[in-house]
Amino acid sequence: EPEVTQTPSHQVTQMGQEVILRCVPISNHLYFYWYRQILGQKVEFLVSFYNNEISEKSEIFDDQFSVERPDGSNFTLKIRSTKLEDSAMYFCASSEARAPYNEQFFGPGTRLTVL
Amino acid sequence: RKEVEQDPGPFNVPEGATVAFNCTYSNSASQSFFWYRQDCRKEPKLLMSVYSSGNEDGRFTAQLNRASQYISLLIRDSKLSDSATYLCVVNTGRRALTFGSGTRLQVQP
Repeated sequence: EPEVTQTPSHQVTQMGQEVILRCVPISNHLYFYWYRQILGQKVEFLVSFYNNEISEKSEIFDDQFSVERPDGSNFTLKIRSTKLEDSAMYFCASSEARAPYNEQFFGPGTRLTVL
Repeated sequence: RKEVEQDPGPFNVPEGATVAFNCTYSNSASQSFFWYRQDCRKEPKLLMSVYSSGNEDGRFTAQLNRASQYISLLIRDSKLSDSATYLCVVNTGRRALTFGSGTRLQVQP
């Protein structure tokens, strides 16, 4: 069964450093997403991406964040200058269907720890 | 009012029991609805989409009441492996999914 993959599984960084989280969405999916989950809290939407551009973003997704699809398979989330409060699990997801039945499939996540 | 509201639980039930979870959502323009399950420190996994007519998948039944903005999940014949957090998830028609905080289920032998 095709699945979303993410690397690394755990990233530890110092405050102020840049991090890049990587994802390989399911191959025939056209819509890609990033979500985050702070420990003990609910999953929160960050950004959606379609046709090589951002289609929607949340208030969390400020100028410190960017996304890119550098090639035909990878989808990345960059955080330019990490803050302590960026520590969270970051999930990538992908979907093939248009709204309304937009079933999204999640990768295993990258646990980001900012020290 | 929270966008998606769930009873956090925990629901502690014996194996074989039937358990029901409820969820309410605030945005009447919401178009699609899902139940995901999440094991501790793992990713959300899609359990089932919730259709207007209701739907069933094995031991799991989901219902939607648009008038009351209410979604339910029924699990019959609970297994130990059903122990997880069940997430009620709503799509308002844009691409973003809005998650509830989840209801924790613990099935006991």
